[in-house]
Amino acid sequence: NAGVTQTPKFQVLKTGQSMTLQCAQDMNHEYMSWYRQDPGMGLRLIHYSVGAGITDQGEVPNGYNVSRSTTEDFPLRLLSAAPSQTSVYFCASSKQGANKGYTFGSGTRLTVV
Amino acid sequence: GENVGLHLPTLSVQEGDNSIINCAYSNSASDYFIWYKQESGKGPQFIIDIRSNMDKRQGQRVTVLLNKTVKHLSLQIAATQPGDSAVYFCAETWMDSSYKLIFGSGTRLLVRP
Repeated sequence: NAGVTQTPKFQVLKTGQSMTLQCAQDMNHEYMSWYRQDPGMGLRLIHYSVGAGITDQGEVPNGYNVSRSTTEDFPLRLLSAAPSQTSVYFCASSKQGANKGYTFGSGTRLTVV
Repeated sequence: GENVGLHLPTLSVQEGDNSIINCAYSNSASDYFIWYKQESGKGPQFIIDIRSNMDKRQGQRVTVLLNKTVKHLSLQIAATQPGDSAVYFCAETWMDSSYKLIFGSGTRLLVRP
């Protein structure tokens, strides 16, 4: 099992550009989530999904879209990048009802200039 | 991520000593708590969890204590090793909606040789 795979690892965008951060898991986990991590802060939930076809907003959803067409993939789309979206983004997955928390990917470092 | 921890509280301990990392959680309705370890450039990694019907849980070299009266968690690491150097986060959630993790701001642990 590869676990949770995020691509790309690094990305620089210009203000106003759009892009998609990819996330895939091969553990057949129902739950998937996107978090952002800013310096000196914990992770904040952007969007989450409890299964294919079902998504919902987290704590900081503005400026981001998600979709979950398959169990394995949960891409995060930045519609029009802003400098405030400069952050490290983590995707995570979990088995429904699991008591071991989430498995996290290694992150995507995004810089918006 | 590499920028994580710029403004984080730091605990510095001598190798071989015990470490205690504290966390205040926010929601009295939370009933499931997780400690994560994050090394530089990596995603958070599960360490140990505890449900609200317990006040103590032990793992290998780690113990989590939960005080629901004051909404406080602690992580104790016995015989701290250089490999324990990382940022540690507590997270809270609810067992019936465990897809939403709320993270604390984290503590950096530095182990002196």
